Amino acid sequence: RKEVEQDPGPFNVPEGATVAFNCTYSNSASQSFFWYRQDCRKEPKLLMSVYSSGNEDGRFTAQLNRASQYISLLIRDSKLSDSATYLCVVNGDDYKLSFGAGTTVTVRA
Amino acid sequence: EPEVTQTPSHQVTQMGQEVILRCVPISNHLYFYWYRQILGQKVEFLVSFYNNEISEKSEIFDDQFSVERPDGSNFTLKIRSTKLEDSAMYFCASSEALGGQETQYFGPGTRLLVL
Repeated sequence: RKEVEQDPGPFNVPEGATVAFNCTYSNSASQSFFWYRQDCRKEPKLLMSVYSSGNEDGRFTAQLNRASQYISLLIRDSKLSDSATYLCVVNGDDYKLSFGAGTTVTVRA
Repeated sequence: EPEVTQTPSHQVTQMGQEVILRCVPISNHLYFYWYRQILGQKVEFLVSFYNNEISEKSEIFDDQFSVERPDGSNFTLKIRSTKLEDSAMYFCASSEALGGQETQYFGPGTRLLVL
């Protein structure tokens, strides 16, 4: 079983739409969780950390469900600039980051 | 805003040659990492480094790979005898501390092409 699994998409949405996607992780001892964003051929950039109680950063909302071992990201009022690959990242008890393969989101005008 | 820098941005080499990829982590960070991303695939952890020694390494990081902090600012990844399958984007990252919610900041990467 892969350490971190994501729906690859692509999710094609119009501007202003809401888009949401999940990822699942296999290591129940995982300590911390992140969403990174990666633009084509660029480095991953931290979008937000994911906390147990769920957290929001502007138009982005992340949720963590430890019992079911999944993490979600919701983007509200999507912008053209939100087009990217969103990487689900899990930091295990050995502190190395495990990346999902990414979910591609394309926002169209 | 401080950032991780990497050089070169692109490197083309012949199979069997040695390459050294260079990184300058954020100055007050103590933990350093190398990751790689083969085209079209996910980002994979290679190695973490703290206090002048390797803390953790993956199965990918075999005897052909080594890391070094030759001075107070640079952090290097050496591939001794490159193989075709080493072609990938190599990302350096650094973090202030280890564990918990510590954020790892990534450099822009070095795209390595082995011919």
